[in-house]
Amino acid sequence: SQTIHQWPATLVQPVGSPLSLECTVEGTSNPNLYWYRQAAGRGLQLLFYSVGIGQISSEVPQNLSASRPQDRQFILSSKKLLLSDSGFYLCAWSRGQGGKTQYFGPGTRLLVL
Amino acid sequence: AQSVTQLDSHVSVSEGTPVLLRCNYSSSYSPSLFWYVQHPNKGLQLLLKYTSAATLVKGINGFEAEFKKSETSFHLTKPSAHMSDAAEYFCVVSDPGQGGKLIFGQGTELSVKP
Repeated sequence: SQTIHQWPATLVQPVGSPLSLECTVEGTSNPNLYWYRQAAGRGLQLLFYSVGIGQISSEVPQNLSASRPQDRQFILSSKKLLLSDSGFYLCAWSRGQGGKTQYFGPGTRLLVL
Repeated sequence: AQSVTQLDSHVSVSEGTPVLLRCNYSSSYSPSLFWYVQHPNKGLQLLLKYTSAATLVKGINGFEAEFKKSETSFHLTKPSAHMSDAAEYFCVVSDPGQGGKLIFGQGTELSVKP
């Protein structure tokens, strides 16, 4: 069966510090991978998605970037965090080549102070 | 463009009574529709999905949803609420015109009173 992991589970960072959140998927090959942000009291906003190694599409301009160094690894990064980067970050995967259902990881709670 | 509207931001029911969470969608394609549940500080869990097979879809934990094309609705129901059902519920449509990206509703918070 497939599983998706995210770490860390929670993170408190000062403004201006760098960020690296990691997401890995097990039990499947060549998945589509996604990063979402969920601000307090709001729905989910798609930040990035990837259909393969090194292939990243950005949905909204922002202070964040994403990378996919390996088939089942997806990293969300920032060089300098802003207060507005606080939120709940969710990684998700779906089967490649038209898979419609996305399966979500447990999320990372980020608080920027 | 695809969109989804959850008609209630908050629903409160008593334990043992029926649950109805309303969702309307807009789609120029034959849509794929989903309901996800999110418990506090947790990721999203798939409850059920509609992908153009049977219009009445059964999901986990006793939930089900009916796809009604004429009403462009995909309401989520459960005959009898349990305390553990208290959570945030998201209605979601998949946009095939954009590589299957998910379009989320704003969510409905379900409270269950004892």
